[in-house]
Amino acid sequence: SAVISQKPSRDICQRGTSLTIQCQVDSQVTMMFWYRQQPGQSLTLIATANQGSEATYESGFVIDKFPISRPNLTFSTLTVSNMSPEDSSIYLCSSGLARETQYFGPGTRLLVL
Amino acid sequence: SQQGEEDPQALSIQEGENATMNCSYKTSINNLQWYRQNSGRGLVHLILIRSNEREKHSGRLRVTLDTSKKSSSLLITASRAADTASYFCATEVSGAGGTSYGKLTFGQGTILTVHP
Repeated sequence: SAVISQKPSRDICQRGTSLTIQCQVDSQVTMMFWYRQQPGQSLTLIATANQGSEATYESGFVIDKFPISRPNLTFSTLTVSNMSPEDSSIYLCSSGLARETQYFGPGTRLLVL
Repeated sequence: SQQGEEDPQALSIQEGENATMNCSYKTSINNLQWYRQNSGRGLVHLILIRSNEREKHSGRLRVTLDTSKKSSSLLITASRAADTASYFCATEVSGAGGTSYGKLTFGQGTILTVHP
């Protein structure tokens, strides 16, 4: 099973600023994903982080708001840009092989004031 | 739109009782996975059941899958206070020709409270 870490674990930010969240996997993986969990809600997929190419975004999410990097097979970043209080959520990354268990990081709890 | 719907939304039981949570989905899937989340922390993977499987066991957990009804259930037997958490089902949707992209679509979750 993959071990996934995220930084920061939590942050409080001012509106209009940006925050970059890091996700590190302990082994090389093809697929990495970013999810958002709004307060009291379930998880929604933001995008698939593709190594060597642009991320693939789900409906309702755009690159300008959530730019993603995937410089190698063990690391990815998600930036939440020009934040507003509506961006207050837990952001989680995951990885795993297709058709197999997807493992999740511990999440980054973001509060935007 | 959300693939999965779960019921009940909340379940409150006494220690030692069994807890059953249900999940329904809308499209063809490669597999269905159940996760536990404690107090808004990270997700812990519980069990994966593939589309060609009907039942799976892991310790006190029993998962069933009925692809004709597009539904799954998670049974926790002899519950403990430590089982108090939110439980989510997540489906890996099958693409054209049975392809898979690995991404998951989550149900709304069931909040389980086990009283000592």
